[in-house]
Amino acid sequence: NAGVTQTPKFQVLKTGQSMTLQCAQDMNHEYMSWYRQDPGMGLRLIHYSVGAGITDQGEVPNGYNVSRSTTEDFPLRLLSAAPSQTSVYFCASSPDGRWNTEAFFGQGTRLTVV
Amino acid sequence: AQSVSQHNHHVILSEAASLELGCNYSYGGTVNLFWYVQYPGQHLQLLLKYFSGDPLVKGIKGFEAEFIKSKFSFNLRKPSVQWSDTAEYFCAVSLYSSASKIIFGSGTRLSIRP
Repeated sequence: NAGVTQTPKFQVLKTGQSMTLQCAQDMNHEYMSWYRQDPGMGLRLIHYSVGAGITDQGEVPNGYNVSRSTTEDFPLRLLSAAPSQTSVYFCASSPDGRWNTEAFFGQGTRLTVV
Repeated sequence: AQSVSQHNHHVILSEAASLELGCNYSYGGTVNLFWYVQYPGQHLQLLLKYFSGDPLVKGIKGFEAEFIKSKFSFNLRKPSVQWSDTAEYFCAVSLYSSASKIIFGSGTRLSIRP
């Protein structure tokens, strides 16, 4: 059982480049989300999705786009990378997004923008 | 705005010492509470959770936490730490009024001296 899989694990981008962080889960979870983790700031929610075709913004959505065409996949797109987007990105999923369900996390993607 | 506060940013203990990590949240409504652990180089994993019932919750690896509603607190404890407990610990809250969001604290880094 793979759980939540993120690719790539590491990435270096130049300012202005675009890229997509991949996230896939094999648990048939409806709810998926993207967080960024920065030192001293914990995890902050970027975007989330409560099911295929439905996405919404979290607390730090600027500079990122998402889509959810299937239940399994929830890619995060950086449109024009900036040094402020240097961070560790985590994808998470949970069965249905209700407030009393735990989240399952991927291994993370460490992104550096130079 | 709702928030989760972890006042200890870095805790250093010797093996066999007792541990208590503080967590306070600012939300007057119904909440679910979580502690997640992130071992070096790994993703976040659930340590324990409180949904309802007995406010003293036992988790994996000998950890426990106590929910004190009057103090808006959910402190994590372990009677005797081991070197393998070296990790970062995150307190998190999910809000009944916002089914799709889990709010994380800034994390506490725990270092155990062998």
